[in-house]
Amino acid sequence: DAKTTQPPSMDCAEGRAANLPCNHSTISGNEYVYWYRQIHSQGPQYIIHGLKNNETNEMASLIITEDRKSSTLILPHATLRDTAVYYCIVRVADTGNQFYFGTGTSLTVIP
Amino acid sequence: DTGVSQNPRHKITKRGQNVTFRCDPISEHNRLYWYRQTLGQGPEFLTYFQNEAQLEKSRLLSDRFSAERPKGSFSTLEIQRTEQGDSAMYLCASSASALSYEQYFGPGTRLTVT
Repeated sequence: DAKTTQPPSMDCAEGRAANLPCNHSTISGNEYVYWYRQIHSQGPQYIIHGLKNNETNEMASLIITEDRKSSTLILPHATLRDTAVYYCIVRVADTGNQFYFGTGTSLTVIP
Repeated sequence: DTGVSQNPRHKITKRGQNVTFRCDPISEHNRLYWYRQTLGQGPEFLTYFQNEAQLEKSRLLSDRFSAERPKGSFSTLEIQRTEQGDSAMYLCASSASALSYEQYFGPGTRLTVT
């Protein structure tokens, strides 16, 4: 599975969009990009995933560059409850196997 | 609550003792995973079951660690002769075959070895 690079920490003002970048320059053609987050003292929570096209769900949007070497997770209107560690993971599609979490980005939403 | 549950939530033990943790996955999820997480790090994969079969084990899973899922439902993770380096959060997750992109995690068991 390809490795990812994320900034260790970011701040975002409450109500503003939070844009979390992820670099995955060695991604393979059959690898998806997944995002999970972990709120303090809880287990990780799935957010969104995608292959090539941009994706949106009720939690967030995922923008993947055309060359697929990087992506951005967008939380459109960040709230204090979005304060968490966000993990960007690349993995071969739906293998049912484990995820390799890195150290993620610690997002702090500021009132 | 029909999510993944783990027991106990916290365990303090002395070095050299054996400990066992339990994970109850979401019913009808046939895949179950164990991860370990230390402070400041992301979760690290330990092992994975599909139904009762243990299909993969990480090299992190030393001989002192054993996991079972006897009837394809709940799972146990046992650590024998605990060491201080075993202190960590032990997370369990489950997923359904058709939606394996989404693993549902439990709250974890925090182990402290003194």
